[in-house]
Amino acid sequence: EPEVTQTPSHQVTQMGQEVILRCVPISNHLYFYWYRQILGQKVEFLVSFYNNEISEKSEIFDDQFSVERPDGSNFTLKIRSTKLEDSAMYFCASSEALRRTGDDDTEAFFGQGTRLTVV
Amino acid sequence: LAKTTQPISMDSYEGQEVNITCSHNNIATNDYITWYQQFPSQGPRFIIQGYKTKVTNEVASLFIPADRKSSTLSLPRVSLSDTAVYYCLVAHKAAGNKLTFGGGTRVLVKP
Repeated sequence: EPEVTQTPSHQVTQMGQEVILRCVPISNHLYFYWYRQILGQKVEFLVSFYNNEISEKSEIFDDQFSVERPDGSNFTLKIRSTKLEDSAMYFCASSEALRRTGDDDTEAFFGQGTRLTVV
Repeated sequence: LAKTTQPISMDSYEGQEVNITCSHNNIATNDYITWYQQFPSQGPRFIIQGYKTKVTNEVASLFIPADRKSSTLSLPRVSLSDTAVYYCLVAHKAAGNKLTFGGGTRVLVKP
């Protein structure tokens, strides 16, 4: 079964440092997403990306965050100056299509996540 | 945005059928219902999706009544490995297919 892969699995960084979380979405997928989950809390949407631009972002996704698809396979999330409260699991996801009818396949496949710890 | 309400937790035993009901009273015409499963320290995994009536796949069944104000995920003959959090989501026919997760139902399968 195709899968979304994320690296690294665990990242420890000092407050104020920049981090880049990397993801390789499923190869024929067109829509890419980042979510995060603070320990013990809900999975929260951060951003969606299509056709080389952000299609939607949440309030969490402020100026400290950016996403990029630097080549045909990678999708990255950068946090410019990390804060303690950025500590969380970050999940990348991808989907093939945009739902337009009830039959369109829009299942989102999630990666295993990167656990970011800011100290 | 249609809010979903589901039980916080459920216990079951191996071999039993588990039914988790989710209410989504203000679901919109263009919304569809999706269920995800999440194991600890892993990303959510798609289980099933439907718009109305009944949908079945190799993992689960999803029952949606005519008014679509609720849905029931049915897991037949659960095993210990089905212990996980199950999320009911109402997704929008909007750009980006953003998923809004609630607290989910923590299902514990006991031997």
